[in-house]
Amino acid sequence: QSALTQPPSASGSPGQSVTISCTGTSSDVGGYNYVSWYQQHPGKAPKLMIYEVSERPSGVPDRFSGSKSGNTASLTVSGLQAEDEADYYCSSYAGSNKFVLFGGGTKLTVL
Amino acid sequence: EVQLVESGGGLVQPGVSLRLSCVASGFTFTSYSMNWLRQAPGKGLEWVSYISTDSSDIYYSDSVKGRFTISRDNAKNSLYLQMNSLRDDDTAVFYCAPNTRDGYNSFDYWGQGTLVTVSS
Repeated sequence: QSALTQPPSASGSPGQSVTISCTGTSSDVGGYNYVSWYQQHPGKAPKLMIYEVSERPSGVPDRFSGSKSGNTASLTVSGLQAEDEADYYCSSYAGSNKFVLFGGGTKLTVL
Repeated sequence: EVQLVESGGGLVQPGVSLRLSCVASGFTFTSYSMNWLRQAPGKGLEWVSYISTDSSDIYYSDSVKGRFTISRDNAKNSLYLQMNSLRDDDTAVFYCAPNTRDGYNSFDYWGQGTLVTVSS
């Protein structure tokens, strides 16, 4: 069982928006503004999509956005495209005790 | 161009040891703290260990604490993971990744990974 809780699956049609949640505790997600999101296509290394809750690395489309409320972070993908179909993982800094935690991953299907 | 090349994986029996290496290039290795992460087949990502630039700060996940040891050789631009008392559930692709942003959990660069299979 992963430390951060994500739904195992999510789906949407092309052009729609989908939001993936990531629930932790006040010791990780809720305690720090260090939530990251990764996209992983089959057989590939993960790709950083969001860092520090809502910041996008250079080259990541602005269709991807992040937010946080309390102990739950969210990744929203707007204007879904076929290439967005992938696994998505959230991660949070958790202090010197647990250090870095990941969620179990969410498989996003573009219908 | 940032390159991270992991090596040292293989098929081993439970209880034995293995040492992974990661050679970094394309960035100033001595300026970045480093991490090992892993992904079991068909499973999610797991952070394994962190080491600061001068090796003064080291952290491990609970699942490997006491069995794995992270180290680095800044003169060789290399990161290592000594894995002892390997278990079946250590089977995974292991990645090295530098901390290129604040917060310890944002990894812009990943290697291709090295597969460790623990099985009798």
